[in-house]
Amino acid sequence: AQKVTQAQTEISVVEKEDVTLDCVYETRDTTYYLFWYKQPPSGELVFLIRRNSFDEQNEISGRYSWNFQKSTSSFNFTITASQVVDSAVYFCALSEPASGTYKYIFGTGTRLKVLA
Amino acid sequence: EPEVTQTPSHQVTQMGQEVILRCVPISNHLYFYWYRQILGQKVEFLVSFYNNEISEKSEIFDDQFSVERPDGSNFTLKIRSTKLEDSAMYFCASSDYSLQETQYFGPGTRLLVL
Repeated sequence: AQKVTQAQTEISVVEKEDVTLDCVYETRDTTYYLFWYKQPPSGELVFLIRRNSFDEQNEISGRYSWNFQKSTSSFNFTITASQVVDSAVYFCALSEPASGTYKYIFGTGTRLKVLA
Repeated sequence: EPEVTQTPSHQVTQMGQEVILRCVPISNHLYFYWYRQILGQKVEFLVSFYNNEISEKSEIFDDQFSVERPDGSNFTLKIRSTKLEDSAMYFCASSDYSLQETQYFGPGTRLLVL
């Protein structure tokens, strides 16, 4: 069955610290997609990244980087030199085409608080 | 850049009332979804819709819920008789045929049932 686990409920860091948000997923399929979304206090879901199961290259986008490791079924997200504006809830999600509908299964989210 | 829109942004209703949440997906998209997020919890899949019919629904999507694409642009979620526990943020999403795995989310409708 599909499952996404974000074990860290809440993380607090001081501005400029690096922080890593963990995501572990479960799937029986060889083809799947992983996502990260940011949810600021205003409530919308802001897309950050999509990764397919055949592409294990790590990705960097500015201060954001993602580490995808199929061997451990993890897709972790690191923010370098965190800023107060990074404060939000971050969700990891999984989608499997074999499910027929590509529905997203979300983790429970990690609330990140960046303190000035 | 095209985007998914949802109306209203906020709705307050009395328990037992019917509500209709509206979504306008991106114009060339064929796959439509509704998700729900109870305050402080995770985002949960409700239903997917393709070719004018439900393709999958979760156990949350009981007989009180229905979806419809009444015209070529709108996609609606109706809750027939709202309960207190229906209070949540409801997100609509859409995707196109060539990139089904990439769903574009609307900004959400925050529903409060009193």
